[in-house]
Amino acid sequence: AQSVTQLGSHVSVSEGALVLLRCNYSSSVPPYLFWYVQYPNQGLQLLLKYTSAATLVKGINGFEAEFKKSETSFHLTKPSAHMSDAAEYFCAVSDVVAGGTSYGKLTFGQGTILTVHP
Amino acid sequence: ETGVTQTPRHLVMGMTNKKSLKCEQHLGHNAMYWYKQSAKKPLELMFVYSLEERVENNSVPSRFSPECPNSSHLFLHLHTLQPEDSALYLCASSRDRSSYNEQFFGPGTRLTVL
Repeated sequence: AQSVTQLGSHVSVSEGALVLLRCNYSSSVPPYLFWYVQYPNQGLQLLLKYTSAATLVKGINGFEAEFKKSETSFHLTKPSAHMSDAAEYFCAVSDVVAGGTSYGKLTFGQGTILTVHP
Repeated sequence: ETGVTQTPRHLVMGMTNKKSLKCEQHLGHNAMYWYKQSAKKPLELMFVYSLEERVENNSVPSRFSPECPNSSHLFLHLHTLQPEDSALYLCASSRDRSSYNEQFFGPGTRLTVL
């Protein structure tokens, strides 16, 4: 079974500061990993995804994430926070059964609420 | 309309009511999903449909009944719900069920059960 742990349910940064949202995963096979963002009263929007190509993945809105197999991590970063980045962020891992069968089932972390102060 | 739409956006119902949630995707996708998002809990996958066939039911109580009449529409029929069923219900779609495909989410229906 796969799982995702997001360290820190709330992260607060100042505008212009580095954003770091932590995600660790557990998977018995090489995973596919995703970061989604949810703004208030909206659904989830994909920020970026890792699908076994480059380990450093660039996404929308200046976000990027690095896949580190040795640390089973996929942390999300942005060099300079903007007020519009305030939202809830979800890390997710997809199930790929050994042998390559895929089911498209995403397992989500608990989410991290990002607050950006002026 | 583009993307994934859901109606209604808000719903308040009593425990004896019957209501339905509707989801429509305008992306030409073949897989559709229902998720439940409750406060302080991770998103829970409820149902998966692929090419209009239900392929996964994650031990969801029978008071939730999904229907997928075609690849563009997905319904969630609700009856005799409990207050603990109050949550945000999200619909999503993807090109197919492959794990590397992005899932596109609708805005959700905020359900309150009295």
